Amino acid sequence: QSALTQPASVSGSPGQSVTISCAGTNSDIGGYNFVSWYQQKSGKAPELIVFHVTERPAGVSARFFGSKSGNTASLTVSGLHPDDEGFYFCGSYSSSSPLVVFGGGTKLTVL
Amino acid sequence: QLQESGPGLVRPSETLSLTCAVSGGSISSAGYYWGWIRQPPGKGLEAIGTIFYTGNAQYNPSLKNRVTISVDTSENQFSLSLSSVTAADTALYYCVRERVGGVIGYWGQGTLVIVSS
Repeated sequence: QSALTQPASVSGSPGQSVTISCAGTNSDIGGYNFVSWYQQKSGKAPELIVFHVTERPAGVSARFFGSKSGNTASLTVSGLHPDDEGFYFCGSYSSSSPLVVFGGGTKLTVL
Repeated sequence: QLQESGPGLVRPSETLSLTCAVSGGSISSAGYYWGWIRQPPGKGLEAIGTIFYTGNAQYNPSLKNRVTISVDTSENQFSLSLSSVTAADTALYYCVRERVGGVIGYWGQGTLVIVSS
């Protein structure tokens, strides 16, 4: 059982927007601005797409937008492309763990 | 770049050993931690442990009695040892570079380790 809670799946049509939630506690998401999001495509290693709640690494599309409210973080993907299909994982620093904690992952399907 | 190496098949009760070679930068760079994350087939991510170049390591409490992570600065690599493995340890094992706040900016390609007799 993962420390952070994500929906198992979300879907949207090309051009639409979808939002993936990541629920935690005040020991992790709610207490610190250290939330990251990772995209994992089939057969590949995860890649960092958002860090520190809202920051994007160089080269990551502005269509990926991170936010946080209370103990829940969110990743919004706008202007969906078929290439956005894959799994998305959230991760967070936690004062209750010596290591980063993860969500169980959300499968994004572009219809 | 990070590159994992090690056996792809380990027998139950034996020790899983993997090494991660770091290229394109020094493992002794300040501000970075080096770690292992695993992903059972079709499942989510689990952090196994991290180590700083000084040798200071942190481990997942659920694995703490079985796991050791070490660093070799002269070879620019770090290693994972997981003892008394069972089928539940079958997973893709990734080596990673992590910075403060749990930001994992670099991942190896991953290596599949199967525990089976």
